[in-house]
Amino acid sequence: DADVTQTPRNRITKTGKRIMLECSQTKGHDRMYWYRQDPGLGLRLIYYSFDVKDINKGEISDGYSVSRQAQAKFSLSLESAIPNQTALYFCATSMGMGSYNEQFFGPGTRLTVL
Amino acid sequence: GESVGLHLPTLSVQEGDNSIINCAYSNSASDYFIWYKQESGKGPQFIIDIRSNMDKRQGQRVTVLLNKTVKHLSLQIAATQPGDSAVYFCAENPGYSSASKIIFGSGTRLSIRP
Repeated sequence: DADVTQTPRNRITKTGKRIMLECSQTKGHDRMYWYRQDPGLGLRLIYYSFDVKDINKGEISDGYSVSRQAQAKFSLSLESAIPNQTALYFCATSMGMGSYNEQFFGPGTRLTVL
Repeated sequence: GESVGLHLPTLSVQEGDNSIINCAYSNSASDYFIWYKQESGKGPQFIIDIRSNMDKRQGQRVTVLLNKTVKHLSLQIAATQPGDSAVYFCAENPGYSSASKIIFGSGTRLSIRP
């Protein structure tokens, strides 16, 4: 779904490097999320943001940071990448009203840390 | 064909048959449940959802059943087609107030035999 885009789609980096993954959306949604997916596992929430001034830690935030630069942009940073951060990363968005909201996912970024 | 979710992560079904994918959830406070489909190389895609005040909801070729007594969720796909091949995730909203956070299960891979 081109409404939620992620860059880069693939990235190979070395241990200790700083990496930033970008997410942009044209859906006009207030809420944005970053998830991590490991092989054979479901998605785990890293960080989420309900609006530009709101940032919250998810289930596995250690080793990651985020920035909500605008309503449409939410970036994920690995300050010093380590091999066990090798995974598939997904950004998602949802509307801001109410508790029950479908989340729309981007295509994912495959990150490999050597 | 029928799976037991986490205990049988792969389900193989004859094309044209009905598929049943099962999911057990652990949080009795969860009040919203979603099924996602993830095709290879793509992000998860919403299929159908159900709130805890319902026990059945139907969509196009899909039905979700919720049994709160035993904390069990199932996804039924009628007349399974090759395009249904994917990993299917159940997800739950753990009932946090005004939050859109959802927790994903580990998924079931559905494969279709011709």
